[in-house]
Amino acid sequence: NAGVTQTPKFQVLKTGQSMTLQCAQDMNHEYMSWYRQDPGMGLRLIHYSVGAGITDQGEVPNGYNVSRSTTEDFPLRLLSAAPSQTSVYFCASTHRDRENEQYFGPGTRLTVT
Amino acid sequence: GENVGLHLPTLSVQEGDNSIINCAYSNSASDYFIWYKQESGKGPQFIIDIRSNMDKRQGQRVTVLLNKTVKHLSLQIAATQPGDSAVYFCAEKRDYKLSFGAGTTVTVRA
Repeated sequence: NAGVTQTPKFQVLKTGQSMTLQCAQDMNHEYMSWYRQDPGMGLRLIHYSVGAGITDQGEVPNGYNVSRSTTEDFPLRLLSAAPSQTSVYFCASTHRDRENEQYFGPGTRLTVT
Repeated sequence: GENVGLHLPTLSVQEGDNSIINCAYSNSASDYFIWYKQESGKGPQFIIDIRSNMDKRQGQRVTVLLNKTVKHLSLQIAATQPGDSAVYFCAEKRDYKLSFGAGTTVTVRA
């Protein structure tokens, strides 16, 4: 099992550019989430999904879109990047019977200039 | 998250000693409280959780205590090892959503 994989590991964008952060898991987990982590802060939930075709907003959804067309993949799209979106982004997945035990990917470090 | 926080941002512990990491929360409606460990350059890793109707739960070398009267959560690590050096986050879960505190950085001294 590769677990949760994220690409790219690092990305630099200019203000106004768009991009997609990729996330995939091979554990057949139903639930997947996206978080952002800023210096000195905990993780904040952006969007989450409880199954293919189902997504919902978290704590800080503005400026981000998600879709869940398959169980394995949960991409995060930045529509028009802003410097405030400079952060480390983590994707996580979990089995629906063990919701507390989230498996996190290695993260994507995004810088918006 | 704004409802979950940790008392101290850093903790220095002598190898072999016990560590106690504290967390205060304000949302009494949470279903579970959870501890995660994050090593440098990695994503967080689940350590242990406790249901909101419990007071104590033990795992391998870790114990979580929940005091609902004062809305306080703690993680105790027995016989702290160098590999325990990391940032520790408490989180509360309500429905599917997790809210994380700011984290405590634990440094283990040899």
